[in-house]
This record gives sequence, structure tokens and C-alpha cells, in this order.
Amino acid sequence: GQQLNQSPQSMFIQEGEDVSMNCTSSSIFNTWLWYKQDPGEGPVLLIALYKAGELTSNGRLTAQFGITRKDSFLNISASIPSDVGIYFCAGRPRHDYKLSFGAGTTVTVRA
Amino acid sequence: NAGVMQNPRHLVRRRGQEARLRCSPMKGHSHVYWYRQLPEEGLKFMVYLQKENIIDESGMPKERFSAEFPKEGPSILRIQQVVRGDSAAYFCASSPSTTGHEQYFGPGTRLTVT
Repeated sequence: GQQLNQSPQSMFIQEGEDVSMNCTSSSIFNTWLWYKQDPGEGPVLLIALYKAGELTSNGRLTAQFGITRKDSFLNISASIPSDVGIYFCAGRPRHDYKLSFGAGTTVTVRA
Repeated sequence: NAGVMQNPRHLVRRRGQEARLRCSPMKGHSHVYWYRQLPEEGLKFMVYLQKENIIDESGMPKERFSAEFPKEGPSILRIQQVVRGDSAAYFCASSPSTTGHEQYFGPGTRLTVT
């Protein structure tokens, strides 16, 4: 699979703050996906992006497909305690079905 | 509409035993993917199957590991003669087609080899 660099590795934030994380790839992707994983559970799909420059929202979550097709960003606005978890980016090159995953960003929210 | 189902959720095996992990895709999905996750790491692709066919097993170790997705019944990931290094969480995902892009994951099977 492709190598994805996800940052930051972890973050501690105050409730109500905005959260930003990003993912970069060494090659071009046709699809970017963002997942959230709670302890002991499987990843849950949050947002899917299919087009360079695309900006998509899902409630307080907003994700963007980078213009270069080699990066993606996820923002969480006004964080709440249930935002705690590990967020993974995943990408898929054209004509491929295998998802490559980042190492994850662990978000901890302080009340 | 049930999601991807995996069982067992937890599996403990002694070294040398066999582990069988089962995955039932979402209704209407005919494509199954298996991934492995080590602690504090992302998921790593293992194998991609369609009904009765292995399409890509490039991420699966050549020895001891095998996968199938029969015409009837769940997909099975089989690990023979398990070793401690096989301890990990194994996740199954399904999609309606290869161009469906979105893969939906099951809750995973946590395999512990003692």
C-alpha cells in the first residue's frame, strides 16, 4: 500500500475548541476517506471525498480533498466530549481498491 | 439494515492452534476486504475477495494465512499454526462494488495468541 503521513499523532483540546488534522500521501489519490475508531470497535466512516478541491461537511465535521490530490484535511468544530477517539485518514489511488491508512490522530477532549 | 458483522469479537488461541475469523458483509455488498491492525497503528490491507474469488491477496502472508468467500455463507480468514506475532485486531470491510469507493467496516475480531 501507499505511505500516508497523518498529523498530529495526538492532541489534547478543551471542549468547544476546533480541531484540525491532515494527511499527506507520496502519490496521487482518487478517493480520500476519514474514519473514526472508538476503543474496541471498528472504524466508522465519517466523510468521503472524490474530487480534488472538494469540501464536504457532516455536521460539525468538514473535510477537504487537496488540490494536489496528495493531501486531505479534517476539521472538527466546537468539540464535545464524544469527539474523543482515533481519527484515521484513508486513501485509494485510481484503479485500485485497496485503502491505505494513516497511523491515526488520537483526540482527547478536556471538559 | 444490518452492518458488517464479524465473529467472534474476541478469540484466544495457543501457539500452534488454528484461528478462524468470520465476516458477513452488509446486505447487497459482494466485495469483502480484510485488514489487520496492530496496537496504535493504522489498518493494513490483507486480502480482497468477491464471491468465490480471491482478487488480491498481496497483503496476506504467504504461509499459514488463507481466505475464502464462498457462494453461500460468510467470508472466512483462516490462520493456521498461530504465533504470538499474529495477535492483532482483524477487521473486515465490505463495499457494493469496486467503484463504490466506500468501505464499511465491521467491529473486528481481537485475536490473542498465548
